[in-house]
Amino acid sequence: QQQVKQSPQSLIVQKGGISIINCAYENTAFDYFPWYQQFPGKGPALLIAIRPDVSEKKEGRFTISFNKSAKQFSLHIMDSQPGDSATYFCAASNGGATNKLIFGTGTLLAVQP
Amino acid sequence: KAGVTQTPRYLIKTRGQQVTLSCSPISGHRSVSWYQQTPGQGLQFLFEYFSETQRNKGNFPGRFSGRQFSNSRSEMNVSTLELGDSALYLCASSLTTSTDTQYFGPGTRLTVL
Repeated sequence: QQQVKQSPQSLIVQKGGISIINCAYENTAFDYFPWYQQFPGKGPALLIAIRPDVSEKKEGRFTISFNKSAKQFSLHIMDSQPGDSATYFCAASNGGATNKLIFGTGTLLAVQP
Repeated sequence: KAGVTQTPRYLIKTRGQQVTLSCSPISGHRSVSWYQQTPGQGLQFLFEYFSETQRNKGNFPGRFSGRQFSNSRSEMNVSTLELGDSALYLCASSLTTSTDTQYFGPGTRLTVL
């Protein structure tokens, strides 16, 4: 019940295309859903995050769509660029007095020029 | 503001040895979390410290331990190293609660021979 399932494992997108990564969870106590971007040799960096009280959040080319009833959320990268090539992780937390993040397994995105 | 720093960046140890990793959070951040990242298991939560107290712990054996000092700096220790402990160990800091962004350091790459 603590798992976050992420798909696809890898993704190849042409420059200018839309990259879509999906995640699903079981624990309805989760109330914070961040997405992290990780480049080789670096630690993960927060990209965008959402809470269950909204269905969509957009920051620049990055959008999170959230479906509370289906317990799913997804990351959309519009106008994908070669510089977006990285590993993307979704995560979830159930708040309270803890910062514990449950991470998805990651998606390796390659944007071809 | 300086980011999260971790030392050392790389470590090579042999089975049975012990190792101590260090993490300096962003100035003013009081929460430090540790994660283990491996290709097979992904990012897994080890433990979290807040104001020198362990606030949460993941499902790792007792060989993994940590502590936090009054200046919020944190250390984690792994005793009796096993080959399977080879991983990237990441430290993340945040201001206080789970509503705050967690900022990750670059990690310490531990190789156990």
